Amino acid sequence: SQQGEEDPQALSIQEGENATMNCSYKTSINNLQWYRQNSGRGLVHLILIRSNEREKHSGRLRVTLDTSKKSSSLLITASRAADTASYFCATVPNNAGNMLTFGGGTRLMVKP
Amino acid sequence: EPEVTQTPSHQVTQMGQEVILRCVPISNHLYFYWYRQILGQKVEFLVSFYNNEISEKSEIFDDQFSVERPDGSNFTLKIRSTKLEDSAMYFCASRLQNSPLHFGNGTRLTVT
Repeated sequence: SQQGEEDPQALSIQEGENATMNCSYKTSINNLQWYRQNSGRGLVHLILIRSNEREKHSGRLRVTLDTSKKSSSLLITASRAADTASYFCATVPNNAGNMLTFGGGTRLMVKP
Repeated sequence: EPEVTQTPSHQVTQMGQEVILRCVPISNHLYFYWYRQILGQKVEFLVSFYNNEISEKSEIFDDQFSVERPDGSNFTLKIRSTKLEDSAMYFCASRLQNSPLHFGNGTRLTVT
């Protein structure tokens, strides 16, 4: 089964608007992580939220986690053109040791 | 800031040939990974490596794939007999205990 599926698959907004991306997963997890990928580049870690946390902030990023619904959201406030990238959630299921598994990603385009 | 480095950035090979993709993880990291991303698709886990042995591998990581840490700094992925469908971006990643992954910028493998 797949862990971590994001929606929407693609999102286009104007600079200054907020962007919200959602992630759902299937099994119990230790933590959930969000990564960003610029086109053709490696993934960059943004934020990690543990299973006993409900919300976490980092700069313009806000992540929520609802373990009862097995879902997470990533909010980018006051978006900038430089935020244009793909955003992935990733989880390590409780019984999967080191296997960090990524969702399909949300392609965010921020228009100047 | 320390980086994961991957070489080459682009590798073109003929079907049936062996390829070795090279990675230098961050020097004090303990866990090492290979992922692949077929163009436009999700990032797929291949294998994780810890304490000089494979700790997890996915269904993709069949007998055609192998990994090695031949010395204290390199971590390699070998594909013995490449197939057309092996064409993808291959990402190496590393991490410390209980920390997020640090990714390299990937090797684009093209099998013709």
